[in-house]
Amino acid sequence: GAVVSQHPSRVICKSGTSVKIECRSLDFQATTMFWYRQFPKQSLMLMATSNEGSKATYEQGVEKDKFLINHASLTLSTLTVTSAHPEDSSFYICSARSARSSYNEQFFGPGTRLTVL
Amino acid sequence: QKEVEQDPGPLSVPEGAIVSLNCTYSNSAFQYFMWYRQYSRKGPELLMYTYSSGNKEDGRFTAQVDKSSKYISLFIRDSQPSDSATYLCATYNTDKLIFGTGTRLQVFP
Repeated sequence: GAVVSQHPSRVICKSGTSVKIECRSLDFQATTMFWYRQFPKQSLMLMATSNEGSKATYEQGVEKDKFLINHASLTLSTLTVTSAHPEDSSFYICSARSARSSYNEQFFGPGTRLTVL
Repeated sequence: QKEVEQDPGPLSVPEGAIVSLNCTYSNSAFQYFMWYRQYSRKGPELLMYTYSSGNKEDGRFTAQVDKSSKYISLFIRDSQPSDSATYLCATYNTDKLIFGTGTRLQVFP
């Protein structure tokens, strides 16, 4: 149980285009989903927290107009990187939290590697 | 000061060795402490979590928390090549997960 999937696993795009990444909780309802970014040999940095049906909360320094997050249902959240640039190339990882978790455990997706040319 | 500090390594050990991975944290109010394992180009997976101080054992893995010194450890006994990965410690600051930088472990046959 508690499986989180991400799609696509890898994406390569040209500078200036937009990319959408999907995060799904497959066997549980996720009241909250999180989006992280991880640069090579660095740790995961929280970008934003999204609750189903409400606007995402972004961490300091993360541009909300550039990283659009939609959490339209209890099993799906999407992250859209708008007008992507090479510096946005990174590993994007989502996680989902179930309302039934005893200590707010987050279940992580496998990640999406974005390369912007 | 970072909320969670971790030596990035890399750490290279022979198969069968005992591995000790460590982190320090800054806020004495932190209560939950987790260890995640992350294979290359994959998402992190939860290995163990502990609440407050003490030890917790699961097979070859032992997690230890010393709240008096704000020090958390993960011990791996009889390490295997399949244990080669990056190990991240983490804690919750309110409901946000705060990760250490991760320690890259290489177990060679």
